[in-house]
Amino acid sequence: AQSVAQPEDQVNVAEGNPLTVKCTYSVSGNPYLFWYVQYPNRGLQFLLKYITGDNLVKGSYGFEAEFNKSQTSFHLKKPSALVSDSALYFCAVRDNAGNNRKLIWGLGTSLAVNP
Amino acid sequence: DGGITQSPKYLFRKEGQNVTLSCEQNLNHDAMYWYRQDPGQGLRLIYYSQIVNDFQKGDIAEGYSVSREKKESFPLTVTSAQKNPTAFYLCASSGFLGATPSTDTQYFGPGTRLTVL
Repeated sequence: AQSVAQPEDQVNVAEGNPLTVKCTYSVSGNPYLFWYVQYPNRGLQFLLKYITGDNLVKGSYGFEAEFNKSQTSFHLKKPSALVSDSALYFCAVRDNAGNNRKLIWGLGTSLAVNP
Repeated sequence: DGGITQSPKYLFRKEGQNVTLSCEQNLNHDAMYWYRQDPGQGLRLIYYSQIVNDFQKGDIAEGYSVSREKKESFPLTVTSAQKNPTAFYLCASSGFLGATPSTDTQYFGPGTRLTVL
C-alpha cells in the first residue's frame, strides 16, 4: 500500500540551529514528493516538490529537501531556524495507483523554534 | 492562499441543518479538491473534481455532496447525514491532471472552520 510517514509528531529546535523534519514514503513507480507548511488557522502553503533530477530541492523561505531513493526518504531541512518557522509541516506523495493522481498525506509534524 | 478563496471563514451549524461551503479559484486550474482536517489526523480527501461537471468521491465522502458547474467554483455541502461535521475544511486546486506531473502542485485556500452547535 502507498503511504507517507512523518515519524515525529513534534520537533523542537533552538533559533539559529539547523532543523530537519523527517518524511519517509512507500509508493509504486516514481515518487513525486511535496512539502507544505501550515500556520495556525490557515490553509497550507506549498514549500517545494521533487519530481525528478537533482536530489536536493530548494524551496521557499530558505527550506530545502533531500530525496534519498535508497532510504525512501524526503527530509525537509533548513540551515538556520527562525522563530517564525514554527508551524505544522506536511509531507505528501502523489498517489500513482490507477489514474486518480491524488496526494497521500502524512499526519504532519509540529515544529517549534525556541528563541 | 492567493488565488483561492473560501467563505465563510467560520460557520456554525445546528444539528439537522445542511450547510454549504464556498470555494472559488481564479488560477484557471482544472482540478479542485475538498479536504477535512481534524487534529492529529492530517488531511483527508472528501471529494475531488478533475474537470467541470465531473467529480469523484474521496476517502470520506459520506454525508457530503459537491457540484462542479463552473471551472472556478467547487462548493461543498455538509448534509445532516454527516454525524460529526465539526472540523476545519480546506479547498485546493491544481492544473490539469492529465498533463505533466509538475502541474499537480495543489494550492490551498484559507479554510473554513465549521462548528456544530
